[in-house]
Amino acid sequence: GAGVSQSPSNKVTEKGKDVELRCDPISGHTALYWYRQSLGQGLEFLIYFQGNSAPDKSGLPSDRFSAERTGGSVSTLTIQRTQQEDSAVYLCASSLAGTSGSSYEQYFGPGTRLTVT
Amino acid sequence: GENVEQHPSTLSVQEGDSAVIKCTYSDSASNYFPWYKQELGKRPQLIIDIRSNVGEKKDQRIAVTLNKTAKHFSLHITETQPEDSAVYFCAAPSYSGSARQLTFGSGTQLTVLP
Repeated sequence: GAGVSQSPSNKVTEKGKDVELRCDPISGHTALYWYRQSLGQGLEFLIYFQGNSAPDKSGLPSDRFSAERTGGSVSTLTIQRTQQEDSAVYLCASSLAGTSGSSYEQYFGPGTRLTVT
Repeated sequence: GENVEQHPSTLSVQEGDSAVIKCTYSDSASNYFPWYKQELGKRPQLIIDIRSNVGEKKDQRIAVTLNKTAKHFSLHITETQPEDSAVYFCAAPSYSGSARQLTFGSGTQLTVLP
């Protein structure tokens, strides 16, 4: 079946502009995650959605970052007033997130490479 | 919350040699430990995982061992090949209220020299 998809694959924007990044999770996956990965760095957790529960926003680096998930499926990560330090690859992942260990497995999308000039 | 530490950050081995990457975790309730491989420019993908009811799991040249008492787990790659060159991430589940998620280690850049 189809995996996690993200769009756009690349985004170049000017400093100060707003950007929206989109993630389509695997159908039936109730959990959705956003991560940021700077060049040569690890996976920085940003936000986590699980079903209809309130999202875990503990990883968002500033109030310029926000995300929503409509209808329990597609998610949009919005970065307002972009700064050069926002340049990174933004990865989305989804999982079943049930009670058994295997449901923790996260399937990653291809990422959106954001460049702020 | 969970704290996952991963070592080493970089590792170079000769083709055919073995590679070992180690991770420690802090939450004794954690019960699932996956390893992800990320090739250059690609997305992370699960390569092997282990649950807390076993101490070792093997899949061809890859194995993972778990020591629950010491709260550490390791990835072992034998007979390394150039295509094993990638960044490897360990992870452990963490709980945020009723939410479950994975906390990732900082990654290990493995280079297999021909």
